[in-house]
Amino acid sequence: EDQVTQSPEALRLQEGESSSLNCSYTVSGLRGLFWYRQDPGKGPEFLFTLYSAGEEKEKERLKATLTKKESFLHITAPKPEDSATYLCAVRSLYNFNKFYFGSGTKLNVKP
Amino acid sequence: NAGVTQTPKFRVLKTGQSMTLLCAQDMNHEYMYWYRQDPGMGLRLIHYSVGEGTTAKGEVPDGYNVSRLKKQNFLLGLESAAPSQTSVYFCASSYPMPQQSSYEQYFGPGTRLTVT
Repeated sequence: EDQVTQSPEALRLQEGESSSLNCSYTVSGLRGLFWYRQDPGKGPEFLFTLYSAGEEKEKERLKATLTKKESFLHITAPKPEDSATYLCAVRSLYNFNKFYFGSGTKLNVKP
Repeated sequence: NAGVTQTPKFRVLKTGQSMTLLCAQDMNHEYMYWYRQDPGMGLRLIHYSVGEGTTAKGEVPDGYNVSRLKKQNFLLGLESAAPSQTSVYFCASSYPMPQQSSYEQYFGPGTRLTVT
């Protein structure tokens, strides 16, 4: 069964304190791993897609990496405006019309 | 370019009442999806559509129906609302990029539904 698990559920950082969020997945043939950012009361906003192990993508203070079993979202020197819930989702080769989401990591960056 | 819009933003229903949620996208996307989001459970797929006139069941379809009569619109119906359907509902759309094998989704702002 395709499944996504994110950890930790919540993360509290001081401004400038770098850390990583984890997304572990089991899927019958990965056809894309997606990271989204969700602000309170809003819909998820697309950040990255990763397709194969070893791939990395960066955007400002965020860097996403992918292995065969998990993905990491590294946040370097975070700012308070990075506070949000970060969602991970996968799409499988055999159920390619469906996306399976994790329950998210709620990040709070204190000034 | 409004992206994905959802109507209404908030709604309160009594048990047994019916309603329709409207999703509209102006990006000419082929694929559209309805999700519900509950605390601690992430986004769960209710129904989806891969093109005008086509619909399919997702992970949690019971108690919901959908229609895609026009490419830009995807409707989600609740025939007889139950308290278990209290949730935040998100619509999303995507377009398969020919040079890649995966599709990023664009989400609407959500509809917060309470069933009493």
